[in-house]
Amino acid sequence: EAEVAQSPRYKITEKSQAVAFWCDPISGHATLYWYRQILGQGPELLVQFQDESVVDDSQLPKDRFSAERLKGVDSTLKIQPAELGDSAMYLCASSPGQVITGELFFGEGSRLTVL
Amino acid sequence: GQQLNQSPQSMFIQEGEDVSMNCTSSSIFNTWLWYKQDPGEGPVLLIALYKAGELTSNGRLTAQFGITRKDSFLNISASIPSDVGIYFCAGRGSQGNLIFGKGTKLSVKP
Repeated sequence: EAEVAQSPRYKITEKSQAVAFWCDPISGHATLYWYRQILGQGPELLVQFQDESVVDDSQLPKDRFSAERLKGVDSTLKIQPAELGDSAMYLCASSPGQVITGELFFGEGSRLTVL
Repeated sequence: GQQLNQSPQSMFIQEGEDVSMNCTSSSIFNTWLWYKQDPGEGPVLLIALYKAGELTSNGRLTAQFGITRKDSFLNISASIPSDVGIYFCAGRGSQGNLIFGKGTKLSVKP
């Protein structure tokens, strides 16, 4: 069964360092999302791509976060510099086609701990 | 902004019992989704609802899209230990964004 691949699964870093997360969506899925999930909360959207274009990054803290999907396939989310409050699970999700049906398929996530 | 209120926050049930949880909002949603998340994993889609009043089943799970389009519920019948986890509702609004509730943590007494 096709899956959304994410790496690394776990990342521990010190504040002010740079971190990067990678996501490979299900093959053929045009829409890719990055969500942040703080412990005990539901996922919150950071950025949404349609192919290589950003559709929604209104909730992305652009002073320190950046995301790209250069060839419209895999994507990278970067944080620089990391802050203590960035400790969370970073989830990547994808959905098929151009029309947003709402059926998002999530990866296993990347757990970030900032010390 | 749009928010989803999910209840209960947590529940303990006896194996074999039926479970019910719901999600409400002051805003109208066009799609309701229910996800289950196991510890350390990403959410897995359980059921998707697209029409007001729609009732959909997936095995022992049944979910309904409320007539007002402002609520949805999820029922689990004859719960088993592997039902343990956190259940999230998610609604897609008119702007196309998907908003998640804070989750219902389900624990089953063996």
